[in-house]
Amino acid sequence: SQKIEQNSEALNIQEGKTATLTCNYTNYSPAYLQWYRQDPGRGPVFLLLIRENEKEKRKERLKVTFDTTLKQSLFHITASQPADSATYLCALDQGNTGKLIFGQGTTLQVKP
Amino acid sequence: DTAVSQTPKYLVTQMGNDKSIKCEQNLGHDTMYWYKQDSKKFLKIMFSYNNKELIINETVPNRFSPKSPDKAHLNLHINSLELGDSAVYFCASSQGGRKLFFGSGTQLSVL
Repeated sequence: SQKIEQNSEALNIQEGKTATLTCNYTNYSPAYLQWYRQDPGRGPVFLLLIRENEKEKRKERLKVTFDTTLKQSLFHITASQPADSATYLCALDQGNTGKLIFGQGTTLQVKP
Repeated sequence: DTAVSQTPKYLVTQMGNDKSIKCEQNLGHDTMYWYKQDSKKFLKIMFSYNNKELIINETVPNRFSPKSPDKAHLNLHINSLELGDSAVYFCASSQGGRKLFFGSGTQLSVL
Protein backbone atom coordinates (compact mmCIF):
# COMPACT_ATOMS: atom_id res chain seq x y z
CA SER A 1 0.00 0.00 0.00
CA GLN A 2 1.04 3.60 -0.48
CA LYS A 3 2.36 5.40 2.56
CA ILE A 4 4.02 8.66 3.42
CA GLU A 5 5.46 8.92 6.91
CA GLN A 6 6.93 11.69 8.98
CA ASN A 7 8.20 11.47 12.56
CA SER A 8 4.98 11.46 14.53
CA GLU A 9 6.80 12.39 17.73
CA ALA A 10 7.48 16.05 18.30
CA LEU A 11 11.07 17.17 17.83
CA ASN A 12 12.47 19.31 20.63
CA ILE A 13 15.78 21.05 20.10
CA GLN A 14 17.80 23.88 21.57
CA GLU A 15 18.03 27.23 19.84
CA GLY A 16 21.03 27.44 17.53
CA LYS A 17 21.11 23.72 16.76
CA THR A 18 20.20 22.11 13.44
CA ALA A 19 16.77 20.50 13.21
CA THR A 20 16.44 17.52 10.88
CA LEU A 21 13.02 16.25 9.88
CA THR A 22 12.41 13.06 7.91
CA CYS A 23 9.87 12.16 5.26
CA ASN A 24 9.73 8.56 4.03
CA TYR A 25 7.41 7.16 1.41
CA THR A 26 6.56 3.80 -0.13
CA ASN A 27 4.91 2.85 -3.40
CA TYR A 28 4.99 6.35 -4.80
CA SER A 29 7.12 7.75 -7.59
CA PRO A 30 7.00 11.48 -6.98
CA ALA A 31 8.34 13.83 -9.62
CA TYR A 32 8.56 16.55 -6.98
CA LEU A 33 8.55 16.76 -3.23
CA GLN A 34 7.42 19.85 -1.35
CA TRP A 35 7.75 21.05 2.23
CA TYR A 36 5.25 23.29 3.99
CA ARG A 37 5.10 24.94 7.38
CA GLN A 38 1.87 25.06 9.38
CA ASP A 39 1.30 27.18 12.47
CA PRO A 40 -1.62 26.47 14.85
CA GLY A 41 -4.90 27.75 13.45
CA ARG A 42 -3.36 28.65 10.10
CA GLY A 43 -3.08 27.11 6.66
CA PRO A 44 0.14 25.49 5.43
CA VAL A 45 2.71 27.82 3.89
CA PHE A 46 4.96 26.64 1.05
CA LEU A 47 8.68 26.52 1.85
CA LEU A 48 10.60 24.53 -0.73
CA LEU A 49 10.16 22.27 -3.75
CA ILE A 50 12.73 19.75 -4.93
CA ARG A 51 12.62 17.79 -8.18
CA GLU A 52 13.35 14.07 -8.48
CA ASN A 53 16.58 14.77 -10.36
CA GLU A 54 17.83 17.20 -7.71
CA LYS A 55 19.74 15.90 -4.72
CA GLU A 56 19.65 19.03 -2.62
CA LYS A 57 17.96 22.43 -2.49
CA ARG A 58 18.73 25.38 -0.21
CA LYS A 59 16.92 28.52 0.79
CA GLU A 60 18.47 30.70 3.49
CA ARG A 61 18.67 28.49 6.62
CA LEU A 62 16.64 25.69 5.04
CA LYS A 63 18.02 22.68 3.18
CA VAL A 64 16.10 19.81 1.61
CA THR A 65 17.53 16.57 0.26
CA PHE A 66 15.70 14.06 -1.90
CA ASP A 67 16.89 10.47 -2.29
CA THR A 68 14.64 8.58 -4.70
CA THR A 69 16.54 5.34 -4.07
CA LEU A 70 15.97 5.47 -0.32
CA LYS A 71 12.54 7.06 -0.95
CA GLN A 72 13.32 9.70 1.60
CA SER A 73 13.56 13.45 1.97
CA LEU A 74 15.34 15.22 4.80
CA PHE A 75 14.49 18.78 5.81
CA HIS A 76 17.11 20.72 7.74
CA ILE A 77 16.83 24.05 9.56
CA THR A 78 20.23 25.36 10.58
CA ALA A 79 20.79 27.82 13.43
CA SER A 80 17.22 27.15 14.58
CA GLN A 81 15.25 29.85 16.36
CA PRO A 82 12.16 29.72 18.59
CA ALA A 83 10.26 31.33 15.70
CA ASP A 84 10.90 28.13 13.69
CA SER A 85 8.60 26.24 16.07
CA ALA A 86 5.74 24.89 13.95
CA THR A 87 4.51 21.73 12.22
CA TYR A 88 6.32 20.85 9.02
CA LEU A 89 4.55 18.88 6.32
CA CYS A 90 6.07 17.07 3.39
CA ALA A 91 4.00 16.52 0.28
CA LEU A 92 4.51 14.25 -2.70
CA ASP A 93 3.69 15.51 -6.14
CA GLN A 94 3.58 12.79 -8.76
CA GLY A 95 3.65 15.37 -11.51
CA ASN A 96 0.74 14.18 -13.57
CA THR A 97 -2.18 14.02 -11.19
CA GLY A 98 -2.45 17.62 -10.10
CA LYS A 99 -2.72 16.66 -6.46
CA LEU A 100 -0.38 16.64 -3.49
CA ILE A 101 -0.21 13.74 -1.02
CA PHE A 102 0.65 15.12 2.41
CA GLY A 103 2.36 13.47 5.36
CA GLN A 104 0.88 14.01 8.81
CA GLY A 105 3.59 16.46 9.74
CA THR A 106 6.26 16.73 12.41
CA THR A 107 5.96 19.31 15.15
CA LEU A 108 9.19 21.12 15.88
CA GLN A 109 9.72 22.95 19.17
CA VAL A 110 12.83 25.13 19.43
CA LYS A 111 13.65 26.11 22.99
CA PRO A 112 15.53 29.32 23.82
CA ASP B 1 -4.39 41.95 1.36
CA THR B 2 -5.19 38.26 1.89
CA ALA B 3 -4.26 36.01 -1.05
CA VAL B 4 -6.66 33.14 -0.32
CA SER B 5 -9.53 33.98 1.96
CA GLN B 6 -12.23 31.63 3.19
CA THR B 7 -15.28 32.19 5.33
CA PRO B 8 -16.39 31.44 7.91
CA LYS B 9 -13.39 30.72 10.16
CA TYR B 10 -15.54 28.66 12.53
CA LEU B 11 -18.73 26.76 11.81
CA VAL B 12 -20.67 25.00 14.56
CA THR B 13 -23.84 23.25 13.50
CA GLN B 14 -26.20 20.38 14.22
CA MET B 15 -26.20 17.02 12.49
CA GLY B 16 -28.43 16.98 9.44
CA ASN B 17 -28.01 20.67 8.61
CA ASP B 18 -26.71 22.05 5.30
CA LYS B 19 -23.84 24.52 5.31
CA SER B 20 -21.54 26.32 2.87
CA ILE B 21 -17.95 27.51 3.00
CA LYS B 22 -16.78 30.22 0.62
CA CYS B 23 -13.33 30.75 -0.82
CA GLU B 24 -11.81 33.51 -2.93
CA GLN B 25 -8.29 34.01 -4.25
CA ASN B 26 -6.83 37.24 -5.63
CA LEU B 27 -3.62 35.70 -7.00
CA GLY B 28 -4.90 35.16 -10.53
CA HIS B 29 -4.33 31.40 -10.23
CA ASP B 30 -6.11 28.96 -12.54
CA THR B 31 -6.46 26.09 -10.11
CA MET B 32 -8.30 25.94 -6.79
CA TYR B 33 -8.66 23.12 -4.29
CA TRP B 34 -10.51 21.94 -1.23
CA TYR B 35 -8.51 19.95 1.33
CA LYS B 36 -9.74 18.35 4.54
CA GLN B 37 -7.50 18.09 7.63
CA ASP B 38 -8.69 15.53 10.14
CA SER B 39 -7.97 15.30 13.87
CA LYS B 40 -4.72 13.42 13.16
CA LYS B 41 -3.57 16.35 11.03
CA PHE B 42 -3.61 14.46 7.73
CA LEU B 43 -4.37 16.86 4.92
CA LYS B 44 -6.31 15.16 2.12
CA ILE B 45 -7.46 16.57 -1.18
CA MET B 46 -11.18 16.57 -1.84
CA PHE B 47 -11.65 18.53 -5.05
CA SER B 48 -9.68 20.50 -7.58
CA TYR B 49 -10.97 22.96 -10.19
CA ASN B 50 -9.06 24.38 -13.10
CA ASN B 51 -10.66 27.41 -14.71
CA LYS B 52 -14.07 26.50 -13.31
CA GLU B 53 -13.80 22.89 -14.49
CA LEU B 54 -13.73 20.00 -12.00
CA ILE B 55 -10.56 18.00 -12.53
CA ILE B 56 -10.11 16.07 -9.28
CA ASN B 57 -12.89 14.51 -7.26
CA GLU B 58 -11.45 12.21 -4.60
CA THR B 59 -13.91 9.65 -3.25
CA VAL B 60 -15.90 12.25 -1.41
CA PRO B 61 -19.57 11.58 -0.45
CA ASN B 62 -22.16 13.14 -2.76
CA ARG B 63 -23.25 15.30 0.17
CA PHE B 64 -20.24 17.48 -0.64
CA SER B 65 -20.73 19.64 -3.71
CA PRO B 66 -18.16 22.18 -4.86
CA LYS B 67 -19.12 25.09 -7.07
CA SER B 68 -16.83 27.42 -8.96
CA PRO B 69 -18.68 30.45 -10.39
CA ASP B 70 -15.41 31.82 -11.76
CA LYS B 71 -11.75 30.97 -11.48
CA ALA B 72 -11.28 33.21 -8.45
CA HIS B 73 -13.98 31.52 -6.37
CA LEU B 74 -14.56 27.99 -5.15
CA ASN B 75 -17.33 27.27 -2.69
CA LEU B 76 -18.11 24.08 -0.84
CA HIS B 77 -21.65 23.10 0.06
CA ILE B 78 -22.28 20.24 2.45
CA ASN B 79 -25.70 18.62 2.80
CA SER B 80 -26.99 16.57 5.70
CA LEU B 81 -23.96 17.11 7.90
CA GLU B 82 -22.68 14.13 9.89
CA LEU B 83 -20.50 13.91 13.00
CA GLY B 84 -17.64 12.55 10.88
CA ASP B 85 -17.59 15.71 8.80
CA SER B 86 -16.06 17.58 11.72
CA ALA B 87 -12.61 18.70 10.56
CA VAL B 88 -10.74 21.73 9.30
CA TYR B 89 -11.40 22.50 5.63
CA PHE B 90 -8.77 24.39 3.67
CA CYS B 91 -9.13 26.13 0.37
CA ALA B 92 -5.99 26.54 -1.73
CA SER B 93 -4.94 27.83 -5.12
CA SER B 94 -1.98 27.35 -7.42
CA GLN B 95 -0.71 28.22 -10.85
CA GLY B 96 0.53 25.11 -12.58
CA GLY B 97 -0.26 22.81 -9.68
CA ARG B 98 3.09 23.02 -7.92
CA LYS B 99 3.22 25.56 -5.12
CA LEU B 100 -0.06 25.80 -3.21
CA PHE B 101 -1.31 28.87 -1.38
CA PHE B 102 -3.71 27.94 1.42
CA GLY B 103 -6.43 29.88 3.16
CA SER B 104 -6.52 29.97 6.95
CA GLY B 105 -9.06 27.17 7.20
CA THR B 106 -12.65 26.67 8.36
CA GLN B 107 -13.06 24.64 11.51
CA LEU B 108 -16.31 22.72 11.18
CA SER B 109 -17.83 21.18 14.29
CA VAL B 110 -20.91 19.01 13.85
CA LEU B 111 -22.79 18.38 17.09
